[in-house]
Amino acid sequence: AQSVTQLGSHVSVSEGALVLLRCNYSSSVPPYLFWYVQYPNQGLQLLLKYTTGATLVKGINGFEAEFKKSETSFHLTKPSAHMSDAAEYFCAVKGGGGSNYKLTFGKGTLLTVNP
Amino acid sequence: IAGITQAPTSQILAAGRRMTLRCTQDMRHNAMYWYRQDLGLGLRLIHYSNTAGTTGKGEVPDGYSVSRANTDDFPLTLASAVPSQTSVYFCASSATGANTEAFFGQGTRLTVV
Repeated sequence: AQSVTQLGSHVSVSEGALVLLRCNYSSSVPPYLFWYVQYPNQGLQLLLKYTTGATLVKGINGFEAEFKKSETSFHLTKPSAHMSDAAEYFCAVKGGGGSNYKLTFGKGTLLTVNP
Repeated sequence: IAGITQAPTSQILAAGRRMTLRCTQDMRHNAMYWYRQDLGLGLRLIHYSNTAGTTGKGEVPDGYSVSRANTDDFPLTLASAVPSQTSVYFCASSATGANTEAFFGQGTRLTVV
């Protein structure tokens, strides 16, 4: 079984401030982890993913995330928030057995960027 | 590049009516998924298909059915709609394997009245 917990359903930051969106996962197998972004009235777009190898993963739009196995975490960060970053962000874990891979999402974190 | 196409984009449906949400992908992905998105609940998996000819139940399958006759199409059917099925529905697809990301359609906003 696998699950994802996103801490904080709503995060508000000032433009130029650090963005930190928290994600903790639970997985019975080595996890594959993803962050998606959803802009209003749109589908989900991949920001970045961790599969194997380097634990610090860089994505689009200046976002990055670090896989920490000891903390079962995959937090998303961006050094300096921009107004265009306002959106909802979803952490997801993919795992399973054989070919039965399913993507399980957290409940999402709405990011507000204040001028 | 179309990616994933969902139809309709929105629909108002009377309770008790049958409805099929359409999903087509042009990426030749083996795996396809249907999710529903509800405020405060995130995305929940309804049904999935790992390859043409096979389907499986997700987290919230009751009241929904799917079929996968070929690689490209993965329709979702509500046999008799109820108001609790009011939601935004997303279709997604991915290549085979656990390390592959899913690609999403733009969603279908369904209101059951």
